[in-house]
Amino acid sequence: DAGVIQSPRHEVTEMGQEVTLRCKPISGHDYLFWYRQTMMRGLELLIYFNNNVPIDDSGMPEDRFSAKMPNASFSTLKIQPSEPRDSAVYFCASSDRAEKLFFGSGTQLSVL
Amino acid sequence: RKEVEQDPGPFNVPEGATVAFNCTYSNSASQSFFWYRQDCRKEPKLLMSVYSSGNEDGRFTAQLNRASQYISLLIRDSKLSDSATYLCVVTSGFQKLVFGTGTRLLVSP
Repeated sequence: DAGVIQSPRHEVTEMGQEVTLRCKPISGHDYLFWYRQTMMRGLELLIYFNNNVPIDDSGMPEDRFSAKMPNASFSTLKIQPSEPRDSAVYFCASSDRAEKLFFGSGTQLSVL
Repeated sequence: RKEVEQDPGPFNVPEGATVAFNCTYSNSASQSFFWYRQDCRKEPKLLMSVYSSGNEDGRFTAQLNRASQYISLLIRDSKLSDSATYLCVVTSGFQKLVFGTGTRLLVSP
């Protein structure tokens, strides 16, 4: 298996633009997580899905953030409009039992 | 108060040294505990689970103290390749993992 695949690896955008991050989980994993990592706050859970259904989105910072999982093999995290404070590394992770997480390589987002 | 707290370090140790990290958590209802390792500019990877009775994996030993709500990781005979950030992880609620901000370890020749 190729592992969790995220795209793009790097995204540079201007404030106010829409940003879409993509994730393909490991086949057969029922759980999918979106995390954000910054130096100051570490890894923060934004939202997680079980069987494509959002279970806990309490970590989503505000309405500018939205996440979808239309099927078992694809998820998106969208930021609209983006702001400089959204700059971070965004990780997607999947799991078959929500304990051992397999992370993707992350998307380094820079909002200018 | 943060749900999971760790000393950020860095811990600078020579090769062969023994080093220990501690982590405290605030949610007494947490059921599962883990240590993850993150190399610079890479994704986190599971290092080991932490069991109530303590557990060992080669040079690594993890301990859990539920009464005091802390977790420890001991690394014996440090290698250069052990240089990384070590993340303490606890469950918070159903199937939700909360990560500490990590402790950075630098092992020098």
